[in-house]
Amino acid sequence: QQQVKQSPQSLIVQKGGISIINCAYENTAFDYFPWYQQFPGKGPALLIAIRPDVSEKKEGRFTISFNKSAKQFSLHIMDSQPGDSATYFCAASMITSGSRLTFGEGTQLTVNP
Amino acid sequence: DTAVSQTPKYLVTQMGNDKSIKCEQNLGHDTMYWYKQDSKKFLKIMFSYNNKELIINETVPNRFSPKSPDKAHLNLHINSLELGDSAVYFCATAGWGTEAFFGQGTRLTVV
Repeated sequence: QQQVKQSPQSLIVQKGGISIINCAYENTAFDYFPWYQQFPGKGPALLIAIRPDVSEKKEGRFTISFNKSAKQFSLHIMDSQPGDSATYFCAASMITSGSRLTFGEGTQLTVNP
Repeated sequence: DTAVSQTPKYLVTQMGNDKSIKCEQNLGHDTMYWYKQDSKKFLKIMFSYNNKELIINETVPNRFSPKSPDKAHLNLHINSLELGDSAVYFCATAGWGTEAFFGQGTRLTVV
């Protein structure tokens, strides 16, 4: 049973465009929602994270939008750059289980020059 | 200094062999994890250790045995390797309820 579902599986955008990746979760006990970025041959690295007490968080070109009632959250990458080409994972965890992460399936983002 | 370091980065071995992957962290975190990333890049937690004690053991074959000699180290030993064990294994560490930091991964190929 996949507790965090992510879409799309792959995404191609042009340089300067907006990349949008969506995730939905099932467990209402989740209280921490990070996004991880992974480049080939590297481990995942935290990009941005949100807690359910806010509906949006922005850091530079990256924004998380969070909809608690719909149990959905999304990552928006503004002004996408070729260097953003990577695999992106949404994840969820709950404070009672420490930082144990349940990941989405991942999105392969390609930004064309 | 690398925050979370794993060795080796690549491991090619034959079916039936026993192998170990080592992980060390210098962040002073209490909790360490092993995650498995399959060929479709799906990441799934295998084990979690807090202060050298096992706190999570997902549905993983008992051929996999984690060992934590101290807070800074979490090793993964795999017995009787099978073709299906081929994957990338990531060590991670975190403070309780905070950001998780991942190692560079160990690509295990069983032939």
